[in-house]
Amino acid sequence: EAGVTQFPSHSVIEKGQTVTLRCDPISGHDNLYWYRRVMGKEIKFLLHFVKESKQDESGMPNNRFLAERTGGTYSTLKVQPAELEDSGVYFCASSLYGDTEAFFGQGTRLTVV
Amino acid sequence: GIQVEQSPPDLILQEGANSTLRCNFSDSVNNLQWFHQNPWGQLINLFYIPSGTKQNGRLSATTVATERYSLLYISSSQTTDSGVYFCAVGLMNYGGATNKLIFGTGTLLAVQP
Repeated sequence: EAGVTQFPSHSVIEKGQTVTLRCDPISGHDNLYWYRRVMGKEIKFLLHFVKESKQDESGMPNNRFLAERTGGTYSTLKVQPAELEDSGVYFCASSLYGDTEAFFGQGTRLTVV
Repeated sequence: GIQVEQSPPDLILQEGANSTLRCNFSDSVNNLQWFHQNPWGQLINLFYIPSGTKQNGRLSATTVATERYSLLYISSSQTTDSGVYFCAVGLMNYGGATNKLIFGTGTLLAVQP
């Protein structure tokens, strides 16, 4: 069974451009999460989907970030326009239920120059 | 909000040595996970351990939820054990179903041959 997969693995963009990250959760997992680790800091929660609904988006830093999960399958995280401080590693995770083990993807390393 | 503290922050071992990593948390949680971030940045699930003791090969973990700490034991360490070890706790919310993990700052382990 495939794990959580994320695309792309690396992205380098210029300040002001738009980037879209994609996450495919483990099949059958209704719960999908986005996290990020900016340089030198801890891994922080961004938001949580249950199927296609946003259950908790309290960690989204500002309105330049938009997450979607059409049809309750894969999810995208768009950053528009990107700023230098958005650089870091963006992780996606999924779990079967809200309080069960979460499995993480390999992350997308975003560099904004 | 809840605080998750890991100790020690850094650890250097000789191959074959044993070690204990600690995770303290400041509030009640209903799940706890240990991860190993390998040199390629992937977060590898080690244990899902809200309470009790589990073992997997050379690794074992114990969580004492009532005293708000968890321990990760690594025995007969190998160079491939190098990387960052994260503890993450799940918050009780939404009627008992957690919806996000709060990560500690990690322990950077270097195992020397």
